[in-house]
Amino acid sequence: GAVVSQHPSWVICKSGTSVKIECRSLDFQATTMFWYRQFPKQSLMLMATSNEGSKATYEQGVEKDKFLINHASLTLSTLTVTSAHPEDSSFYICSARLVGQETQYFGPGTRLLVL
Amino acid sequence: QKEVEQDPGPLSVPEGAIVSLNCTYSNSAFQYFMWYRQYSRKGPELLMYTYSSGNKEDGRFTAQVDKSSKYISLFIRDSQPSDSATYLCAMSVNQFYFGTGTSLTVIP
Repeated sequence: GAVVSQHPSWVICKSGTSVKIECRSLDFQATTMFWYRQFPKQSLMLMATSNEGSKATYEQGVEKDKFLINHASLTLSTLTVTSAHPEDSSFYICSARLVGQETQYFGPGTRLLVL
Repeated sequence: QKEVEQDPGPLSVPEGAIVSLNCTYSNSAFQYFMWYRQYSRKGPELLMYTYSSGNKEDGRFTAQVDKSSKYISLFIRDSQPSDSATYLCAMSVNQFYFGTGTSLTVIP
């Protein structure tokens, strides 16, 4: 149980385009999902916390207009990187928290390369 | 001072060794403690989840929490090359805090 999927697993795009990443909880409902960014050999950097049906809470320094987060249902959250630039290239990982539990289950990650 | 401190390593051990991974923390309010394993280019995988002080064992893995010392450990017995990964500690009270991760290599 507690499986989280992400799609796509990797994406290459041109500078200036927008990229959407989906995060799904496959066998449970997640009222809260998290989006992280991770650079090589570095730890997870929390970007935002997404609650179903409400606006995401962004961490300091994360541009909400650049990284659009939508949590439309209890099993799906999306992250859209708008007008992507090479510096947005990174590994993006989502996680979901089960209702009533204090732990997070992570997706497999999405590797984004912006040319 | 960071909320959670974890030695980044790298740590290299021979196959079969006992591995000890540790984290310290500063917030005495933390109640939930987790260990994640992350293979290269993959998302973190939950290994162990404990609440409050004490030990929890699962196969070759033992998680230990000492709230009086604000110290948590993960022990891996009979380490295998497949255990080579980065290990992240995490703890929470309303909000999550992650360690920076310890890179472990188990040499055959």
